[in-house]
Amino acid sequence: SQQGEEDPQALSIQEGENATMNCSYKTSINNLQWYRQNSGRGLVHLILIRSNEREKHSGRLRVTLDTSKKSSSLLITASRAADTASYFCATGSSNTGKLIFGQGTTLQVKP
Amino acid sequence: GAGVSQSPRYKVTKRGQDVALRCDPISGHVSLYWYRQALGQGPEFLTYFNYEAQQDKSGLPNDRFSAERPEGSISTLTIQRTEQRDSAMYRCASSLSDRVAGGSPLHFGNGTRLTVT
Repeated sequence: SQQGEEDPQALSIQEGENATMNCSYKTSINNLQWYRQNSGRGLVHLILIRSNEREKHSGRLRVTLDTSKKSSSLLITASRAADTASYFCATGSSNTGKLIFGQGTTLQVKP
Repeated sequence: GAGVSQSPRYKVTKRGQDVALRCDPISGHVSLYWYRQALGQGPEFLTYFNYEAQQDKSGLPNDRFSAERPEGSISTLTIQRTEQRDSAMYRCASSLSDRVAGGSPLHFGNGTRLTVT
């Protein structure tokens, strides 16, 4: 079963614009991770935020976490055509030991 | 190896046949996860191992599906008596730590595309 739900399902922007993707989840978590997937290839880990953190940055990526709303957002600033991919959030819980993925947001960045 | 290796890359089989999908994780990685991914969907959890021990198999759809990792390295996902609904991309991922749910990132292979005709 899937834990997270991403919103929007699809996003199309121009190069240079910012892209924001949201993830909502249902149960208590220890951390939330974001992954990228290019053209059906394997997923690549981007960034992790722990349940006691509210915001984290890595290069052009900014992740926020609101545990009271059970939601997270991923912001990609100054997007590039190479950012075109599907982005997935994944939640981890020590209770289950599993990492559960959401349905993903497909981002298209037009040059 | 340099990354997680899965074989075969593509598998076409007739309904009713058994298939075995192989995953060779990154050397030294403790955890190994199996996911199934339908087109346009997120990875669906199947099962995972820490070392050779299967920790959770709650995601396996039914008893036709099984997995093993006998020596704590290579893993095999076996599907018996395949059905058309089993057609999907099967992905394996490994992690250096046994604390994936605690934040240790997963490294994914490129998957095995299974088609059941």
